[in-house]
Amino acid sequence: GAVVSQHPSRVICKSGTSVKIECRSLDFQATTMFWYRQFPKQSLMLMATSNEGSKATYEQGVEKDKFLINHASLTLSTLTVTSAHPEDSSFYICSARGEKLFFGSGTQLSVL
Amino acid sequence: GEDVEQSLFLSVREGDSSVINCTYTDSSSTYLYWYKQEPGAGLQLLTYIFSNMDMKQDQRLTVLLNKKDKHLSLRIADTQTGDSAIYFCAESGHGGSQGNLIFGKGTKLSVKP
Repeated sequence: GAVVSQHPSRVICKSGTSVKIECRSLDFQATTMFWYRQFPKQSLMLMATSNEGSKATYEQGVEKDKFLINHASLTLSTLTVTSAHPEDSSFYICSARGEKLFFGSGTQLSVL
Repeated sequence: GEDVEQSLFLSVREGDSSVINCTYTDSSSTYLYWYKQEPGAGLQLLTYIFSNMDMKQDQRLTVLLNKKDKHLSLRIADTQTGDSAIYFCAESGHGGSQGNLIFGKGTKLSVKP
């Protein structure tokens, strides 16, 4: 079946640095990918919709200059957390729309 | 606004049936979903139901939808220890877009041997 690969699965970084998370659809083309954030014991929250070849659409309250999304090809979307702060520590999950909505395995970001 | 509510914890004994309940607010939702999240893993789509159906069965899983009460449930028959995970209910929200899902907070299912 279709698989979405997300990398890295876990990253620890220093405050002020930038972190890039990749989301790849392995055997299907995804014109639309989605990025979510999950705090402990909280629900998944949609951060943004990533559209191939165009600008991402951000949900209300999500800073587009802080969470940079690039969807340069039909199989790859990246989320870059810029100038990371400890409050950005969270579990980030991507999904890609094929015949169904497939999710990546998530990235646990810890900012020290 | 749109909201999805579900209880946070459920504990059952191996072999028993588990029933996870969910309520939602958006009556225009086209699809309703159940996702499973194992520790450290991404979400796995378990099953979904179209809003004009009231029941869907898939092996050990039974989904019941009461559209009038906006109530969705997931029944797992003969629950196994491998079913221990967090189960998320989600509705498709406005427009039925699969990407723009509204998730509940998840129900942590613990299966005791």
